Amino acid sequence: AQSVTQLGSHVSVSEGALVLLRCNYSSSVPPYLFWYVQYPNQGLQLLLKYTTGATLVKGINGFEAEFKKSETSFHLTKPSAHMSDAAEYFCAVSYGKLTFGQGTILTVHP
Amino acid sequence: GAVVSQHPSRVICKSGTSVKIECRSLDFQATTMFWYRQFPKQSLMLMATSNEGSKATYEQGVEKDKFLINHASLTLSTLTVTSAHPEDSSFYICSARQGTSSYEQYFGPGTRLTVT
Repeated sequence: AQSVTQLGSHVSVSEGALVLLRCNYSSSVPPYLFWYVQYPNQGLQLLLKYTTGATLVKGINGFEAEFKKSETSFHLTKPSAHMSDAAEYFCAVSYGKLTFGQGTILTVHP
Repeated sequence: GAVVSQHPSRVICKSGTSVKIECRSLDFQATTMFWYRQFPKQSLMLMATSNEGSKATYEQGVEKDKFLINHASLTLSTLTVTSAHPEDSSFYICSARQGTSSYEQYFGPGTRLTVT
């Protein structure tokens, strides 16, 4: 069965700093990969996804992620954090059903 | 496009009563809908998968007699929590998938259930 590990349950950055949220999956076959963002008491919003093709994918709000098969990773980055980026972020893999990582809460300090 | 709604957004019920949560795909036909549960400060856990017109498939450990799922049309699925207890208090989120070959799920805004 596939699993997803997000390193760091909490990440804190200063406004304007680089955001890096880590995600590793365990699977012998590359899955579809997703990053979602969740604001308090709300559902999930898709940030970006990887299915096939280019391994660097760009999403909404300036986020991007790179699929690295050799490292079984799909880390999420943003060059410059904004206060509005503060939320919880979930990495997920799919082979039909979604399996979520445990989530990373991003805090952005002024 | 691809909007999913849930109703109600918040509900408080007394222990022992039942509560129904609706999940609707507003602008597409959802052949498959998923129900997730999220405890505070935790990730989403899949409860069940429902396909229109057929019985839901429940994940291991989820009581199908307690969490009744109906997917009677291509735009509506319902989750009924029967004989609710305080431990059923949680955030319930549905998602919908268009077509059997599609991989992308569209999520509803969630329903906060509090059982007193």
